[in-house]
Amino acid sequence: AQKITQTQPGMFVQEKEAVTLDCTYDTSDQSYGLFWYKQPSSGEMIFLIYQGSYDEQNATEGRYSLNFQKARKSANLVISASQLGDSAMYFCAMRGRNYGQNFVFGPGTRLSVLP
Amino acid sequence: EAQVTQNPRYLITVTGKKLTVTCSQNMNHEYMSWYRQDPGLGLRQIYYSMNVEVTDKGDVPEGYKVSRKEKRNFPLILESPSPNQTSLYFCASSPHTDTQYFGPGTRLTVL
Repeated sequence: AQKITQTQPGMFVQEKEAVTLDCTYDTSDQSYGLFWYKQPSSGEMIFLIYQGSYDEQNATEGRYSLNFQKARKSANLVISASQLGDSAMYFCAMRGRNYGQNFVFGPGTRLSVLP
Repeated sequence: EAQVTQNPRYLITVTGKKLTVTCSQNMNHEYMSWYRQDPGLGLRQIYYSMNVEVTDKGDVPEGYKVSRKEKRNFPLILESPSPNQTSLYFCASSPHTDTQYFGPGTRLTVL
């Protein structure tokens, strides 16, 4: 069975500093995709970044980067230069079954950015 | 505007009263999915559909039904809702191998 683990229920970071949100995954699939989503207090789900299991380079999208360590089965999200608007829930997710459409989400990490 | 819409956004109902939550997307995506979100559990997939007339169970399908008669619509049906189905529900769609685009969510309370 596929599983996503996020061990940090809550995190605090000072504005303008970098923060790493942890994500480990478990799958027997050879091909899979890893995603990070942001959920602000308003409730919508916002896609942040994607990493394919065969991608050799770590994904980056603006201030977001994904630290992908395949052998350790980890896909940590790094947010650089935190902003107050980054305060939200962050979910790590995986699409497994050989790039089928069964998505599995982690329990989430609540990030609070302090002024 | 490209979007996924859900209706209703909020619903309070009673045990056993059949209900349907509609989901529609205007992006011509093949794939659609339903999730429920509960505190501490993240999002759990209920059902998904790879295309018209093709649906499959996710991780928590018990108590739910879906249908995909048209590409743009993917309604979620609760034939006999129970209080443990009180949750926040999200519909999502995507092109076949890309990330998902989520609807705004439906908050359901079953008394």
